[in-house]
Amino acid sequence: AQSVTQLGSHVSVSEGALVLLRCNYSSSVPPYLFWYVQYPNQGLQLLLKYTSAATLVKGINGFEAEFKKSETSFHLTKPSAHMSDAAEYFCAVSAGNYQLIWGAGTKLIIKP
Amino acid sequence: GAVVSQHPSRVICKSGTSVKIECRSLDFQATTMFWYRQFPKQSLMLMATSNEGSKATYEQGVEKDKFLINHASLTLSTLTVTSAHPEDSSFYICSARGQDTGELFFGEGSRLTVL
Repeated sequence: AQSVTQLGSHVSVSEGALVLLRCNYSSSVPPYLFWYVQYPNQGLQLLLKYTSAATLVKGINGFEAEFKKSETSFHLTKPSAHMSDAAEYFCAVSAGNYQLIWGAGTKLIIKP
Repeated sequence: GAVVSQHPSRVICKSGTSVKIECRSLDFQATTMFWYRQFPKQSLMLMATSNEGSKATYEQGVEKDKFLINHASLTLSTLTVTSAHPEDSSFYICSARGQDTGELFFGEGSRLTVL
C-alpha cells in the first residue's frame, strides 16, 4: 500500500525567499514520485518526477526535489520565490502502474 | 509535450439533466485514461480507470450508473454525469497515459456547476 503526506495545507513565503514544500511517502515497492502544480481554474501540470534515476530531480520553473529514501521524503524546493509561483502543489506516488496516490495539496502563497 | 484536451472547460446545468465531458489525447494514443474529481480544498480523488474497448473500473464509492464512462477509441474518453444534482458540482480532471513512455498527461479540467 502507498500513501503520501504533504505537511502544511498552506505555505506562505516572501517574494525572493526560499520555497520548501514537504512531501513524505510510504511505499512497499520502489516508488515513482511526482510533483504537480495547479494554477487557479487550470488542470494539473507536471513539475518534475523521480523514477529511480538521479536522486536530485530538476523540474520546470526553477523547481527541484530530492528523493531521500532514508527519510521517505521528496521535498520540493525553489531558491527564490516569484509571484507567479502562487498555486497549489500536489505530491503523488505511484507503484509503476500509472495510478497515482495523491497528497492533499499545499497552497503556496507569495507575499510581495 | 503530449497534449490532453478536455471539453467543455466550464458547464452549468440544471438539476436532473445529464452532462458529458470529453477527454481527448491530441497527439498520442492512450489505451488508459483516468478520471478524477476534485472537491474544494481537497486533493484529487480517482473516480475510475478507463481502458479502450472495455468497461471502466470504478473506485469504491463511485456510482457507475451515475458517472458513465466510455472509452470508444484510443484518443477519446467521455464522462457523462447522469441526472446531475448540486452535490455533483465539482472540478473533473482526466489524464491519459502515453503508450510509449507511460507518462501521465492531464487535461485542463472541467468545472461543473449544477443549479
